[in-house]
Amino acid sequence: SQKIEQNSEALNIQEGKTATLTCNYTNYSPAYLQWYRQDPGRGPVFLLLIRENEKEKRKERLKVTFDTTLKQSLFHITASQPADSATYLCARTGANNLFFGTGTRLTVIP
Amino acid sequence: ETGVTQSPTHLIKTRGQQVTLRCSSQSGHNTVSWYQQALGQGPQFIFQYYREEENGRGNFPPRFSGLQFPNYSSELNVNALELDDSALYLCASSTGAERANEKLFFGSGTQLSVL
Repeated sequence: SQKIEQNSEALNIQEGKTATLTCNYTNYSPAYLQWYRQDPGRGPVFLLLIRENEKEKRKERLKVTFDTTLKQSLFHITASQPADSATYLCARTGANNLFFGTGTRLTVIP
Repeated sequence: ETGVTQSPTHLIKTRGQQVTLRCSSQSGHNTVSWYQQALGQGPQFIFQYYREEENGRGNFPPRFSGLQFPNYSSELNVNALELDDSALYLCASSTGAERANEKLFFGSGTQLSVL
C-alpha cells in the first residue's frame, strides 16, 4: 500500500535550536507533499507545499526538502520558539484528497 | 483563522443515534471535504463535494453521507452511530482548481463523543 509515515511521535527541543521533522513515503512517488500545523482542538493550518522536482522550499523560519532518492521529506524550523509547539502533519496528494501522516508533536522548551 | 466555520463544536450522542454536522466554506470556495481524526492520528478522508456533487470518497461505510448546498455549505450525516465514530470531524474548503496541489483550509472541527 502507499504509505506516508512520520516516525517520530514526539520531539522535544530547546528554544533557539533547529527542529527537524521527518516524513517518509513507501511504494509510490508523490508529485506533491504538503505540511500542516495543528494546535490542540483546532483544525490543521497549511504551511508549505513542495513539488517532486523542487529540492527545497522556504518560508520565513520554515524550510522543507524533498528527497526522491531517500523517499523522504524533511521539515525544519530554525531559531525555534515556544510558540512553535504544536503537532506537524505531512500529507501527500491523492486524486481529490490528502493522505495524512500521524503527525509529530513538537515541544519547544524555553 | 480561516473562514471555514463548523457547528456544533462539541456533541455527545449514544450508540445507534444519528448526527448531522454542519460546515460553512470559505468565501469563494466551491469544494468541501470532510475528514475524521481519531485521537493521536492524522485526519482521514471521508468524502468531498464539488459544486453540490460527491466527488470522491474514502474508505467509510454508506452510513456516512453528505450534502452540499447551492451556497457551498455542507452537511455530514452519520447514521447508526458506533463507539468508534468518536473523533474530531474536520471540514476543509478549497477552490477546486488545480486539484493536484491545492491547499486545504480547515475549520476547527466538531468533537463527537459516542457513548
